[in-house]
Amino acid sequence: GQNIDQPTEMTATEGAIVQINCTYQTSGFNGLFWYQQHAGEAPTFLSYNVLDGLEEKGRFSSFLSRSKGYSYLLLKELQMKDSASYLCAVFYNQGGKLIFGQGTELSVKP
Amino acid sequence: DGGITQSPKYLFRKEGQNVTLSCEQNLNHDAMYWYRQDPGQGLRLIYYSQIVNDFQKGDIAEGYSVSREKKESFPLTVTSAQKNPTAFYLCAASDRGKNEKLFFGSGTQLSVL
Repeated sequence: GQNIDQPTEMTATEGAIVQINCTYQTSGFNGLFWYQQHAGEAPTFLSYNVLDGLEEKGRFSSFLSRSKGYSYLLLKELQMKDSASYLCAVFYNQGGKLIFGQGTELSVKP
Repeated sequence: DGGITQSPKYLFRKEGQNVTLSCEQNLNHDAMYWYRQDPGQGLRLIYYSQIVNDFQKGDIAEGYSVSREKKESFPLTVTSAQKNPTAFYLCAASDRGKNEKLFFGSGTQLSVL
């Protein structure tokens, strides 16, 4: 299988920093995506990593280690509107398809 | 306005009935996908198509059917064989060869009467 694991839920405080982890099976790996999804809406693209290292985009950063099958999404200066589900997704060469993790429900508290 | 259009937003199915969810894109992308999302779960792949007139089963294809007669359109039929069809259905498209980033439609919520 191509299991992708991420925590089910997390809670953080407004203004703080939170890190959401994602682990995946490395065989056939060809890129990792992070999406944000608010309830009842479509996922929106946040970041893409295909090489090792950190990609920074404003308050959001994403890190990848291909040898460890590990990624994280870092959210800084949390705002209430960041309360959402964050989906980790991996593109696998075999079959040419994108597989999603279960998503991490983030709640930002005042 | 470029993008992916799903319709209807809400759909109700009676027992034993087939229903079809529409997905149209004007992004000129080759690949299109259908995902199902249940509460508290991630997206699960139903069917995908990498080119016109070709499609492959995803992880949960049983009880569903698709067609890809035109590049712009990838309708999904939920058949009576799908015993638990209540879910949020998302259609997506990607530009193959450009990191496979998915663009999503706004989704269809299907419920059983």
